[in-house]
Amino acid sequence: QVQLVESGGGLVKPGGSLRLSCAASGFTFSHYYMSWVRQAPGKGLEWVSYISSSSSAIYYADSVKGRFTISRDNAKNSLYLQMNSLRAEDTAVYYCARDGFNYSPFDYWGQGTLVTVSS
Amino acid sequence: SYELTQPPSVSVSPGQTATITCSGDRLGHKYACWYQQKPGQSPVLVIYQHTKRPSGIPERFSGSNSGNTATLTISGTQAMDEADYYCQAWDSTTDVVFGGGTKLTVL
Repeated sequence: QVQLVESGGGLVKPGGSLRLSCAASGFTFSHYYMSWVRQAPGKGLEWVSYISSSSSAIYYADSVKGRFTISRDNAKNSLYLQMNSLRAEDTAVYYCARDGFNYSPFDYWGQGTLVTVSS
Repeated sequence: SYELTQPPSVSVSPGQTATITCSGDRLGHKYACWYQQKPGQSPVLVIYQHTKRPSGIPERFSGSNSGNTATLTISGTQAMDEADYYCQAWDSTTDVVFGGGTKLTVL
């Protein structure tokens, strides 16, 4: 069955950096767009970024553009999110999700990893 | 920027029909999806392309759309359906938008 397992969350100071990982299994990872979606504590869902199957197309929400970088390693069935210049408003649970591009829904989600930006 | 508007909360009695709406400009042309999120859990896709139900989702969940509104209907609502529900669509093929979420209470 499809499994998405995030890791790498934690406490970081404002202005700091963090790299999230998502290990995928149970499907042909290299065939799918992959996405990051976040949820601030007690708030709703916010799309962050997605990346095409071959990494040739990448899109970001305006709120993270220029600070976050999405990438993937199809040989390792892994998705990444490099987060730089972190702000308090980036505090959230970050979910790895399959697809979400071009009218395809986010059909599988990981359990999420919590990122807390605080001094 | 594109916005999707949902009621903050909806209440329903067990066994009755719950209706959750999501409104946005020309939403009927944007293939709305619905996600269920229970406390402490990840979201689960329950409806996509306005009306389609993924495998494993009970038949009591259905979706519809008309003009600027997408609707999630839960027939014969059960206590286990109590959750937050989010609608989602695309402003373009690339820009994903979520509604603010609706807390469904079954009482």
